[in-house]
Amino acid sequence: QQQVKQSPQSLIVQKGGISIINCAYENTAFDYFPWYQQFPGKGPALLIAIRPDVSEKKEGRFTISFNKSAKQFSLHIMDSQPGDSATYFCAATEPNTGFQKLVFGTGTRLLVSP
Amino acid sequence: DVKVTQSSRYLVKRTGEKVFLECVQDMDHENMFWYRQDPGLGLRLIYFSYDVKMKEKGDIPEGYSVSREKKERFSLILESASTNQTSMYLCASTPGDTGTDTQYFGPGTRLTVL
Repeated sequence: QQQVKQSPQSLIVQKGGISIINCAYENTAFDYFPWYQQFPGKGPALLIAIRPDVSEKKEGRFTISFNKSAKQFSLHIMDSQPGDSATYFCAATEPNTGFQKLVFGTGTRLLVSP
Repeated sequence: DVKVTQSSRYLVKRTGEKVFLECVQDMDHENMFWYRQDPGLGLRLIYFSYDVKMKEKGDIPEGYSVSREKKERFSLILESASTNQTSMYLCASTPGDTGTDTQYFGPGTRLTVL
């Protein structure tokens, strides 16, 4: 049972284009939604995160859009660059667990062509 | 910089062998985690530890055990390796006990069980 559903599985975008990765969740108790970026041969690293009290968070070229009523959130990469080619994971966690227990999506492999 | 290191990048073992995967973090983090990463399945939590000698089962603990004798070190043990345990294993740590801590990942160990 996948608690966080992520799509697409893979994505090819031309340099300068917009990359969009979508995630959906069922558990309304989730209240923290990070995105992790993983380059080949490396472990995932936190990219950007959002709490459900805001609908959008932007950090440089990366934006998370959050739709609480639809239980969906998405990552937008503006002006995509070849250096953005990586695997992206969305995740979610419940509050008050005492420590962070993340539920990850299945990942999206992004390739930005030059 | 937080550093999480894993003892091996690549490991090849035979079915039935006892396998130890070691993880060390150098930032005095309270919590440590073991995940396995498989294509199309994302990251799945095997075990985590919130203190020395304390451990909790994650979502897929079957066939695994863990040990945390010192705060900086968290070991994953495959008592009798099987071919379905061929995977990428990732260790992570977080500093405290909040739901919004960043998880810091090691580079991973790719285990092949023949």
